[in-house]
Formats: sequence, C-alpha cells, structure tokens
Amino acid sequence: AQRVTQPEKLLSVFKGAPVELKCNYSYSGSPELFWYVQYSRQRLQLLLRHISRESIKGFTADLNKGETSFHLKKPFAQEEDSAMYYCARTRGNEKLTFGTGTRLTIIP
Amino acid sequence: NAGVTQTPKFQVLKTGQSMTLQCAQDMNHEYMSWYRQDPGMGLRLIHYSVGAGITDQGEVPNGYNVSRSTTEDFPLRLLSAAPSQTSVYFCASSYSSFIEAFFGQGTRLTVV
Repeated sequence: AQRVTQPEKLLSVFKGAPVELKCNYSYSGSPELFWYVQYSRQRLQLLLRHISRESIKGFTADLNKGETSFHLKKPFAQEEDSAMYYCARTRGNEKLTFGTGTRLTIIP
Repeated sequence: NAGVTQTPKFQVLKTGQSMTLQCAQDMNHEYMSWYRQDPGMGLRLIHYSVGAGITDQGEVPNGYNVSRSTTEDFPLRLLSAAPSQTSVYFCASSYSSFIEAFFGQGTRLTVV
C-alpha cells in the first residue's frame, strides 16, 4: 500500500520564524505529490502540487526523490498560516492517499 | 458554481439508526469519493467512484454503502450507525483520476 508519513501531529512556531512541515512518501516510480490545507471552519483545499513548482502564500515544497520527501516550507510564518496541513500522493490512476496531517499553530 | 455541496452539516444519530449523507457536485467531475477525518488518523478513504454506475471500496468501507446513479450525486449510506462512525465526513470530486480534489465542507456526525 502506498504510504504518506507526516511525523509531526502538532507543530508550533513563532510568528516570523521559518516553518517546515515534513512529509515522506513510499517509493513507487514517479508519484504526484500535493499539500492540502484546512483553515479553521473551512473546507480542505489544495495548497500546492509539486509538478507546478510554484509558491503559494509564501509556501514552497521541493520533491526530493533520494529521500522520498516533499517537505513544505515557508521562511517567515504568519498568524494566518495556522491550519491543518495534509500531504497527499497519487500516481497514475491510483487513489489519492493522505498523510495523518500536521496541525500548525503560529504563536503571535 | 457551487462546487461540492454536502448535506447535512451536522447530525446526531442513535446507535442502530440509518441515514444518508448527501454529496452533489456541479463541475461535471467523473471522480468522486468519501473520506472520514479522525484525530490522529488523517483522511481515510471510505468509497469512491470513477463514473456513474461505478463504485469501489476504499480503505475503511465497512458499515457504509454508496451508489452513483448520476454524475452529480454520490450519497453515502450508514445502514446501522455505530459510535465508531462518529467522525467528520468529507466528499470530494476531481476531473480526472484523483488529482486536485475539490472538497465539500464536511458533515460532522455523532453517533450516541
């Protein structure tokens, strides 16, 4: 079974400090990887996908095939970044598999 | 576009009761799926559908039934509710395969 591992259930970071949310995936060829975010009382939504190689709301994520990682990073945390973050993967016609999520809290 | 609409938003059931969670999308997406979200467990796939008339089981299908008679609708049925089914349920749809899923706002279900 394909796996996505997010080792941190909770992460607290001071405002202005760098943020890194970890994600590791099980290897199987070339997967497609995503980060989804769920803000308080809002629906889950796509934050970014590795194939687009873009920065959204200051977040970036680089696919490291050697380490099978897709960590989410932001150089300077903002209070509005507090949310639940899910890493997810798929490949071809495989079902989308989510990690267990990391709740990020930004401390003012 | 309304996107993905789930009803109800909240529900309390007694053990043994049955109910249907509704999900509708207006984006003409072929792929639809149901997830449950539990603390520490993340999102787990219950059932999914790759098109009208086609459904399949996900990771945690027991206790749930689905059907897909139209492209727009994908209801989830709880036949005999159990406290272990207390959770937040999300419906999602996507245009192709299971990428860029669009989610509903969720249904918070409590079984007492």
